[in-house]
Amino acid sequence: GQQLNQSPQSMFIQEGEDVSMNCTSSSIFNTWLWYKQDPGEGPVLLIALYKAGELTSNGRLTAQFGITRKDSFLNISASIPSDVGIYFCAGRYNNNDMRFGAGTRLTVKP
Amino acid sequence: EAGVVQSPRYKIIEKKQPVAFWCNPISGHNTLYWYRQNLGQGPELLIRYENEEAVDDSQLPKDRFSAERLKGVDSTLKIQPAELGDSAVYLCASSLGQGAVRGYTFGSGTRLTVV
Repeated sequence: GQQLNQSPQSMFIQEGEDVSMNCTSSSIFNTWLWYKQDPGEGPVLLIALYKAGELTSNGRLTAQFGITRKDSFLNISASIPSDVGIYFCAGRYNNNDMRFGAGTRLTVKP
Repeated sequence: EAGVVQSPRYKIIEKKQPVAFWCNPISGHNTLYWYRQNLGQGPELLIRYENEEAVDDSQLPKDRFSAERLKGVDSTLKIQPAELGDSAVYLCASSLGQGAVRGYTFGSGTRLTVV
């Protein structure tokens, strides 16, 4: 089963608003990843984080690797309609397989 | 460069029937993964291949699921017989080595409905 707790489960926001979602784990990871999945497609990698405390941006997206190595957050600034989708966090310890959260479903109202 | 190709995109079958999914990974990617994604959940690993060898199949329900990757390229995942609870999206992914996070690419998946 899932080992990551991702919240919130869903978000309904107005276009232009900022979004924040997070992921926590009971065990440590040394890689955190954030994916986006559109309907009928597979997840696509947005940001990868490799070091505790690391803060990485990709356009309007910013993600951080928590100091404790048990959490991560993703922020989206100035949301636009194409940000709609499901966002998944994933964690990996060494070369073990990735564990995914249950996802945050984002709806952006124009 | 072509991405990970999966077929079929959709499959509806009656319970107790067999079903097979096919995956063609990105050229040169030696690591191939099969995931199952239940509704409202993230993907969960079923099996990982390094070339033609299944190196992690601990989550594969071996009583009814089987997989193969002949010649270390294409792969098939089979369910026989299918049960109602097998309804899910089956995702294939490939990467250049198990540690290659950035090159880890998912296919579009096969949505299976068992009725």
